[in-house]
Amino acid sequence: AQSVAQPEDQVNVAEGNPLTVKCTYSVSGNPYLFWYVQYPNRGLQFLLKYITGDNLVKGSYGFEAEFNKSQTSFHLKKPSALVSDSALYFCAVRDRGSGNTGKLIFGQGTTLQVKP
Amino acid sequence: DADVTQTPRNRITKTGKRIMLECSQTKGHDRMYWYRQDPGLGLRLIYYSFDVKDINKGEISDGYSVSRQAQAKFSLSLESAIPNQTALYFCATSDGGLAGGLAGELFFGEGSRLTVL
Repeated sequence: AQSVAQPEDQVNVAEGNPLTVKCTYSVSGNPYLFWYVQYPNRGLQFLLKYITGDNLVKGSYGFEAEFNKSQTSFHLKKPSALVSDSALYFCAVRDRGSGNTGKLIFGQGTTLQVKP
Repeated sequence: DADVTQTPRNRITKTGKRIMLECSQTKGHDRMYWYRQDPGLGLRLIYYSFDVKDINKGEISDGYSVSRQAQAKFSLSLESAIPNQTALYFCATSDGGLAGGLAGELFFGEGSRLTVL
């Protein structure tokens, strides 16, 4: 069975500092990996995804994520955090080998708090 | 206007009542989904539909039913609401994308907050 773990319920960082939001996954085959962001009282918005190729994926709002197959991780990063980055972040995985009906499984979410 | 629209945005109801949450989309996507969000649990899939004639159960379909009235419309019903169905519900859509659709990202509505007393 596939699963996603976000080990930190909350990450606190000062504005201007680099940020990392962690994600590890478990799938039987190879993964498609996604990051989404949810601002208060809003739906989830797609940030970036890993399909294949370069392990470093760049996405919206200056975010990037690094796929590490040996560590089964897909951590979200940003070199310099902004207060406006404060939100709830979700990692999600889909098993590439699950056929055309593969479901997207979400982690439990990590709240990012960026302080001025 | 939003690409994925959910109605109502907020609803308070009583145990035993029938509730319908509606979703419509203008993205032209074939695939539509209903998720439930609970604090600390992330999003869990209730039902999904890959076209009008294709409806599938997700992880937590018990107590829920769906109807795909058209490509653009996908509604979620709670036949007899109970308090543990109090949650934030999201509709989402996706395109086929690469690799048979598995690589496609989801596009979410703004959510429907349901409270069952």
